[in-house]
Amino acid sequence: GAGVSQSPRYKVAKRGQDVALRCDPISGHVSLFWYQQALGQGPEFLTYFQNEAQLDKSGLPSDRFFAERPEGSVSTLKIQRTQQEDSAVYLCASSLQIDYGYTFGSGTRLTVV
Amino acid sequence: SQQGEEDPQALSIQEGENATMNCSYKTSINNLQWYRQNSGRGLVHLILIRSNEREKHSGRLRVTLDTSKKSSSLLITASRAADTASYFCATGLDSNYQLIWGAGTKLIIKP
Repeated sequence: GAGVSQSPRYKVAKRGQDVALRCDPISGHVSLFWYQQALGQGPEFLTYFQNEAQLDKSGLPSDRFFAERPEGSVSTLKIQRTQQEDSAVYLCASSLQIDYGYTFGSGTRLTVV
Repeated sequence: SQQGEEDPQALSIQEGENATMNCSYKTSINNLQWYRQNSGRGLVHLILIRSNEREKHSGRLRVTLDTSKKSSSLLITASRAADTASYFCATGLDSNYQLIWGAGTKLIIKP
């Protein structure tokens, strides 16, 4: 596709519910990143994939967070047993090379109630 | 943790005026990037400047980088209402794929 596509655009989850957020990067982009952005703040790194390999997951806040990119294209960020503090915008970005600019999706706004 | 510090946190100017935003960082970098984010939307890449470059232009945007002072500035000339957004700097560190982000400058252009 022409850009990075994320779905759903908005998600309201009850506390304790599991959610799955999808990212469809630009075709051919090797690098894929997930970021978490709180209101009024810059993005915070969650995890990085190079093709299907998850090279860094150091930013995932807890073991309730899990990300995968099994075929090196579409990625899913899963959050188990959601908590209120998980409420944020989750941004996905892809890049052809790691020191090129990133192309971001519009994000998924997650609200945990 | 965020390395970049944008200054000012908020800026309100009249349409047609120039807007200047600054970014300071702490460690050595490979590159520095500026992004724009409209309310409720994703980030849009504006300019990437490498550590061996001092200045870069793109349309009405001008970015400077001073590695000795560990700072960068973004100048938007002849501002338009559509430039209203938050602007973030992000640093790409040496031998590292992560971008480290600041908290952004909120720019408001008054018509």
